[in-house]
Amino acid sequence: AQKITQTQPGMFVQEKEAVTLDCTYDTSDQSYGLFWYKQPSSGEMIFLIYQGSYDEQNATEGRYSLNFQKARKSANLVISASQLGDSAMYFCAMREGRQAGTALIFGKGTTLSVSS
Amino acid sequence: DGGITQSPKYLFRKEGQNVTLSCEQNLNHDAMYWYRQDPGQGLRLIYYSQIVNDFQKGDIAEGYSVSREKKESFPLTVTSAQKNPTAFYLCASRGGQAGNQPQHFGDGTRLSIL
Repeated sequence: AQKITQTQPGMFVQEKEAVTLDCTYDTSDQSYGLFWYKQPSSGEMIFLIYQGSYDEQNATEGRYSLNFQKARKSANLVISASQLGDSAMYFCAMREGRQAGTALIFGKGTTLSVSS
Repeated sequence: DGGITQSPKYLFRKEGQNVTLSCEQNLNHDAMYWYRQDPGQGLRLIYYSQIVNDFQKGDIAEGYSVSREKKESFPLTVTSAQKNPTAFYLCASRGGQAGNQPQHFGDGTRLSIL
C-alpha cells in the first residue's frame, strides 16, 4: 500500500489565484514529519515547508501553508497568490518515527501549471 | 557556499559497464541518501547512510552499491546487474537531530544507456 498518496497528477491555476495540492499519508507511528518539496523542470529539489505530527498549528512559510488534518491523515499544501514561477512538480514526503536520519518516503507528485 | 555537488550532470553507460556517480557535501551532515527518479514519478530510495562506514539498503538497492569512507562523500555505483538504469539520480544529505530538518538535495545526475 502506498504510504504517500498524491491523487492529482496535474493542476492548472491562473496567476494570483490560490491552489491546493492534496496529500494523504499512511503510518502507524505517532511521531512523524511531513515535508513538501518543489521540483522545477531543471530537476533540483527545493524544500518548501514542514509539519510535525505533534505540531498543533498548521505550518506556514510565506505564500505556502499546510492544511494538516491529522485524523484524516492529510497534509495538503496551499499556495496563495500563484506566480508563473510556481509552475513545477510538487512532492509530498514523510519521515516515519523519531530517528532524525530516517529516509523520506515520497509521493508520485503533482504537476502544477500556472498561466497568465 | 555550503551545498551538495553531484557529478557528472549527464552520464552514459554501455552494456555490461559499471559507472559511479559522485556526491560530495560540505554541510557537515551525518546522513546521506541516494534516490532514483523515473519520468513522471516520485523518488525511490536506493541506499542511505547515517554515519561514516555504515549504510543501509533502501527499497530498490538491487544492482547498486555504495560506500561511505568519508563524511563528505557518498558515491553510488550502478553495476551491470542493474538492467534498467536509465533514470535521474538525486543525492541528499541531512544534518542535526531535530525532526524538522529537511533533506538538502544536489542537482542530480541523468544516466542513460548507450
